[in-house]
Amino acid sequence: KNEVEQSPQNLTAQEGEFITINCSYSVGISALHWLQQHPGGGIVSLFMLSSGKKKHGRLIATINIQEKHSSLHITASHPRDSAVYICAVKRQGAQKLVFGQGTRLTINP
Amino acid sequence: DAGITQSPRHKVTETGTPVTLRCHQTENHRYMYWYRQDPGHGLRLIHYSYGVKDTDKGEVSDGYSVSRSKTEDFLLTLESATSSQTSVYFCAISDTFSGGRGSNEQFFGPGTRLTVL
Repeated sequence: KNEVEQSPQNLTAQEGEFITINCSYSVGISALHWLQQHPGGGIVSLFMLSSGKKKHGRLIATINIQEKHSSLHITASHPRDSAVYICAVKRQGAQKLVFGQGTRLTINP
Repeated sequence: DAGITQSPRHKVTETGTPVTLRCHQTENHRYMYWYRQDPGHGLRLIHYSYGVKDTDKGEVSDGYSVSRSKTEDFLLTLESATSSQTSVYFCAISDTFSGGRGSNEQFFGPGTRLTVL
């Protein structure tokens, strides 16, 4: 079993819909990251969380440390949000990140 | 954007040939990483470096070696390329305080697409 599991693996929605992507992990962590990879391949960091919730524009990320679970929400989704969203965790005491397999999101006009 | 470049961006080579990929940073970050990304596997760590001449293995290090003789450069070498090493390779950098102490926020290069025939 992977240490970081994302669901769903693929998600297709219509423009304007509210999107939720989930990430569960099985190890103690000091931080959780959400990354975005566009069709061109570039990877950018969206959020870094160790507790609570963060918001940036239409994107909201939450984390529940007790339940070892994080969600990434997109409000009023737009075709330009189409990308692969990747969850990654930093284990306590380790420098390395462990990555989920990613969720491929497609927003249709 | 963090100053990270990778070269080459695309390469096609034949089985058995040596290949070296270069990652160059202008951020003076301490940590550098090489990942490969394959369908169904996500990003997997090959090797990483925590300083000049200091490197360690990741989860998929077999068939790869690395070197870091300067802070800004991290080289990944495939001594004898195999078809199973066809992949997209990403370099990333971070610093002790990237994103706040203990978070290890990483900044990624644009990737190198390697095809081994």
